[in-house]
Formats: sequence, structure tokens, C-alpha cells
Amino acid sequence: RKEVEQDPGPFNVPEGATVAFNCTYSNSASQSFFWYRQDCRKEPKLLMSVYSSGNEDGRFTAQLNRASQYISLLIRDSKLSDSATYLCVVKTSGGGADGLTFGKGTHLIIQP
Amino acid sequence: NAGVMQNPRHLVRRRGQEARLRCSPMKGHSHVYWYRQLPEEGLKFMVYLQKENIIDESGMPKERFSAEFPKEGPSILRIQQVVRGDSAAYFCASSLLQVGNTGELFFGEGSRLTVL
Repeated sequence: RKEVEQDPGPFNVPEGATVAFNCTYSNSASQSFFWYRQDCRKEPKLLMSVYSSGNEDGRFTAQLNRASQYISLLIRDSKLSDSATYLCVVKTSGGGADGLTFGKGTHLIIQP
Repeated sequence: NAGVMQNPRHLVRRRGQEARLRCSPMKGHSHVYWYRQLPEEGLKFMVYLQKENIIDESGMPKERFSAEFPKEGPSILRIQQVVRGDSAAYFCASSLLQVGNTGELFFGEGSRLTVL
């Protein structure tokens, strides 16, 4: 089982719709969770951290389910500019780069 | 404030040549990370360095690849005798402290290596 798994998509979603996607992780000792965004042929950038109680940042909501070992990202009122690849990142103690493991990403396309 | 600067942005090499990729971290950042991203693949950790020290190179191939972060100057990822499978985007990232619970790495725009 891969350490961090994501549905690669693409998710084709009309502008204004709500879209959600999940990410599962295999290591129950994982400590921290994050969503990064990567535009086509650009560098990844931190979108938001994911807290145990769930957290919201504008139109974006992130949630963590430790029992089932997944995190989710929900985007409300999607904009054309939300089109990107969303990378799930899991931090586990030890391992490379201070324990950060990146998923392959979910490709989101917002259509006018 | 300049972000993480990588050069060259694009590099073309023939099989057997050497590739040198440079990375200047954000001002004040002493932690540098190198990742490789193949088409349709995720970011794969290669090496983590602090000034003059390799902290973790567990993701780096044992042969042909080396990295350094000298006291002065940028971090350099060096690939000797490149092969076609080395074609990828190589991203450098930096952080002020160890990544810790913030999880925030600041990435450069990447260096895209094409091996002919």
C-alpha cells in the first residue's frame, strides 16, 4: 500500500460547483497533514494545514479522519482559478525531508 | 524578498554528460531540500541539507547523484553521466527551521532536465 494515495482525476467541475476529494495515508503514526497546490509546470505551494478538528480558509475546508486515515479537501463556489493539482502531504516522524511525504496529486479542472 | 531561486530553468544534456542544478534558498533559510518530479508522478524526496552538511540523503540514488550546500553560494545537485531516465523536473525547497509542524516548504520554480 502506498504511503499517501490520491485519486489522480481529473475532476471536471463546472464553475460555481462544490468539489471534494480525499487522500488516504498508510502510516497510523502520521502526525501532521497539509494540502499543497501545484499549477501546471509550476512549483507546489502550501494551501493549508489540516487540523484534527477540521479547518476552513475562505472557500476551502480541510478535514482529518484519523480512524479511517484520510484527509479531505472541499472547495465551495469553485472558480476557474482553482484549476490546479492538489497535493496531499503527510508528515511522519523520521524519513526524508523531516518526514514529509507527498501524494501524486489530484488534478482539478474548473470549466466555465 | 526573493524566493527560492533555481537555475537553470531548463537544461538539455546528452546521455553521458553532467548536469549541475543550482538552488539559492530564501534569504535567512538554512535548510534546503531537493525533490524530483517525473511526469504524472508525485514529488520524490532526494536529499536534505543544511549549510555544509548533508542531513538526509536517503532518497538520492547511490550512484551518479551528489548534492552539496557550501558555506558560501548556492546548493548544487550534480548528476553525472546522465541517462534518459534522469529527465524530470528537479525542485529545490527551503525552510527557515526544520519543517516541523508547519509543513511549509518554499519551493523554487524547478529545473527541467531533458536528456537526449
